Amino acid sequence: SQQGEEDPQALSIQEGENATMNCSYKTSINNLQWYRQNSGRGLVHLILIRSNEREKHSGRLRVTLDTSKKSSSLLITASRAADTASYFCATEGSSNTGKLIFGQGTTLQVKP
Amino acid sequence: EPEVTQTPSHQVTQMGQEVILRCVPISNHLYFYWYRQILGQKVEFLVSFYNNEISEKSEIFDDQFSVERPDGSNFTLKIRSTKLEDSAMYFCASRPTRTAQETQYFGPGTRLLVL
Repeated sequence: SQQGEEDPQALSIQEGENATMNCSYKTSINNLQWYRQNSGRGLVHLILIRSNEREKHSGRLRVTLDTSKKSSSLLITASRAADTASYFCATEGSSNTGKLIFGQGTTLQVKP
Repeated sequence: EPEVTQTPSHQVTQMGQEVILRCVPISNHLYFYWYRQILGQKVEFLVSFYNNEISEKSEIFDDQFSVERPDGSNFTLKIRSTKLEDSAMYFCASRPTRTAQETQYFGPGTRLLVL
């Protein structure tokens, strides 16, 4: 598989529930970022976690990073219908050019 | 809040034609990028640009593609002779520095359709 693979590919939950998305990657990284994309729209940056960090919070978002397993998770707590979107992880490697490698994404549907 | 802007939002062109996609990065940013996303697929890196030269490019970025920063504000992607498979959403991004804690700010994208 390629760098930055998310699972599940699709997730459907009820409003108020928590949503967890996972991302795995293959090579060493400087940081890992999560982006959100509403259907057919641009990419919105959600959160960045550096390779020396293990956990980060931003509002209802919680991101973990396990560099030994080369994996990350994004938890959205108390989901809302407006959270319906695709979520992508993206890794920045050590090339120093800032190139991001994106995963395939998880499509989240939050039902009201 | 400063934003990356892109024009046009949509472009339809005939196969073999040249297209230029335009981006205005955030004004104090130094690093610029183009990515593309074929419908239903993941976002793919095309090229990074710093100090008026390409710093890295992907295998997708062949001789048909070129980038330019013609003035202090615009950053363009040119596709010399478009192919059907160039149909995609093209995103421009910028960031102020290359330190590991800096995020990339993406524009809204240009949807290119090659007929």
